[in-house]
Amino acid sequence: ETGVTQTPRHLVMGMTNKKSLKCEQHLGHNAMYWYKQSAKKPLELMFVYSLEERVENNSVPSRFSPECPNSSHLFLHLHTLQPEDSALYLCASSPGQGAAYGYTFGSGTRLTVV
Amino acid sequence: SQQGEEDPQALSIQEGENATMNCSYKTSINNLQWYRQNSGRGLVHLILIRSNEREKHSGRLRVTLDTSKKSSSLLITASRAADTASYFCATDGGDMRFGAGTRLTVKP
Repeated sequence: ETGVTQTPRHLVMGMTNKKSLKCEQHLGHNAMYWYKQSAKKPLELMFVYSLEERVENNSVPSRFSPECPNSSHLFLHLHTLQPEDSALYLCASSPGQGAAYGYTFGSGTRLTVV
Repeated sequence: SQQGEEDPQALSIQEGENATMNCSYKTSINNLQWYRQNSGRGLVHLILIRSNEREKHSGRLRVTLDTSKKSSSLLITASRAADTASYFCATDGGDMRFGAGTRLTVKP
């Protein structure tokens, strides 16, 4: 275990469903991130939270809605997804925002939209 | 922000051989990092090299950085089947940006 826990590990959802991905870290990190990894494409940075405030949103469709209730938890709420949203969603954390130190990643949630 | 680009896209070697992967980037950096990803899992941080460093070692890993050429290389010596994974470089232009990775296969 890396110290960053993502649940569920696998999720299959229909295009009209609403579901949430959860990420939890107890490393004392102040920044958390959502990345999307599609087959044979670079990881896409979706959202950045620093001290529970969203600091970056990289033109992500509104059907993805993040929530960071405290520095240890990060959610990604999903609704009305498309088949092309099927991917591995990775959560990461770091001591502070930015890349001065290594990121710690969770094992990801494999999402399939049917 | 800009991301690193790894080369080659795929590499297949025999156990015991050395594996070399390269990374190029476009803008100035403070540091460059290498990560490893086993199939369908999260990324694991391997090593960070700062812009004022030229070479860094960690076990069987050796990373070099040439800021004049804006490139880095990751060398895995005496490879093992368990080294089979995808390897990514990432640069610190703001938040971490990753390339598409090099898929390394080590055959027993």
